[in-house]
Amino acid sequence: AQKITQTQPGMFVQEKEAVTLDCTYDTSDPSYGLFWYKQPSSGEMIFLIYQGSYDQQNATEGRYSLNFQKARKSANLVISASQLGDSAMYFCAMREPGSQGNLIFGKGTKLSVKP
Amino acid sequence: EAGVAQSPRYKIIEKRQSVAFWCNPISGHATLYWYQQILGQGPKLLIQFQNNGVVDDSQLPKDRFSAERLKGVDSTLKIQPAKLEDSAVYLCASSPPHNTEAFFGQGTRLTVV
Repeated sequence: AQKITQTQPGMFVQEKEAVTLDCTYDTSDPSYGLFWYKQPSSGEMIFLIYQGSYDQQNATEGRYSLNFQKARKSANLVISASQLGDSAMYFCAMREPGSQGNLIFGKGTKLSVKP
Repeated sequence: EAGVAQSPRYKIIEKRQSVAFWCNPISGHATLYWYQQILGQGPKLLIQFQNNGVVDDSQLPKDRFSAERLKGVDSTLKIQPAKLEDSAVYLCASSPPHNTEAFFGQGTRLTVV
């Protein structure tokens, strides 16, 4: 069963606008962590933001924020004021306690920022 | 702080040949991962080390893939013999002792022809 679902293969956004990338997850464990990574064409996976399942507030890191809706099992990434350099693949990932730290990734969303 | 180093960046081999990838994790990171990322998909774990011991290799095709982490630092991933379906990016990542986020290298792009 797929544990991380990213339903948007590709997204376009106008420069300086905000964009939301969707992510839903599936787990029966009450303790888990959710991550978003950016992968530019160079190939490196760049950590963006983390949300723990017990965190009371939504995580924010600069222009990135995570819209965490626990009951819906969704962890959408919001990028505000998009920049041309934001064009990349974005991956949602989950870590469960029993996985010894292994990250389970979704299939990714390709974001293209238009000037 | 130096990041995760991987080499080579690119490799093209013929099927049935062998190939090896090298990874040097961030200093002090006890956990090291090898992921396989096939084009159009997210990374999939192949093997995870804690220091020099294997924690999880359940998804490693052991008939052709092998990995080692001598002295709990550098790691090598080998494929022998390679198949066409092994064409992918091989990502190495490491995590600090408290298992927060994983830090990734730039990957090795393997093409098997």
